[in-house]
Amino acid sequence: SQKIEQNSEALNIQEGKTATLTCNYTNYSPAYLQWYRQDPGRGPVFLLLIRENEKEKRKERLKVTFDTTLKQSLFHITASQPADSATYLCALSNNNDMRFGAGTRLTVKP
Amino acid sequence: DTAVSQTPKYLVTQMGNDKSIKCEQNLGHDTMYWYKQDSKKFLKIMFSYNNKELIINETVPNRFSPKSPDKAHLNLHINSLELGDSAVYFCASSQVVDRGEQFFGPGTRLTVL
Repeated sequence: SQKIEQNSEALNIQEGKTATLTCNYTNYSPAYLQWYRQDPGRGPVFLLLIRENEKEKRKERLKVTFDTTLKQSLFHITASQPADSATYLCALSNNNDMRFGAGTRLTVKP
Repeated sequence: DTAVSQTPKYLVTQMGNDKSIKCEQNLGHDTMYWYKQDSKKFLKIMFSYNNKELIINETVPNRFSPKSPDKAHLNLHINSLELGDSAVYFCASSQVVDRGEQFFGPGTRLTVL
């Protein structure tokens, strides 16, 4: 069965460090992969999209990599700040199908 | 301006009742979606509508029915509510049907007693 796993339920890091979140998938061939941020009591907010033929995408302090051989995406937040604390969701899609991971709750401590 | 709005934000009701959740988007998008997020925080797609046509219907009970009066609205009607329907329901929209960047509403927390 298709499965999407995000490395850990929770990740705690110190302010200024780089946060690295992992999204692994099995039995799926996504055309592209997205990362969303979700704050408590709010809907997910789109951050980045990367296509299957792309290796890396950057946006300000965010970087996403996509390895279709390893079936893995890494999401990096450099120079992390307490305001980056939230749950981060990866989402895989192919044609008319879209699936979300359970998310990783990131806490950046001052 | 709110891009995707939902009403109500909270909904508490008894088992067996029928309820509706409304969704509106002012982004001019062609596709709208309904998602369910359960207590374990998994976000699962329920329906999507493209140009007023249902283009995907995940294996949800037929007690759930999406209704789209126009491209900017996709309402969710639920009949005979059950305890297991308790969750947060999110509406979303996107410009393209192949699941590009999605814009989510604030969510509706449904509690069935």
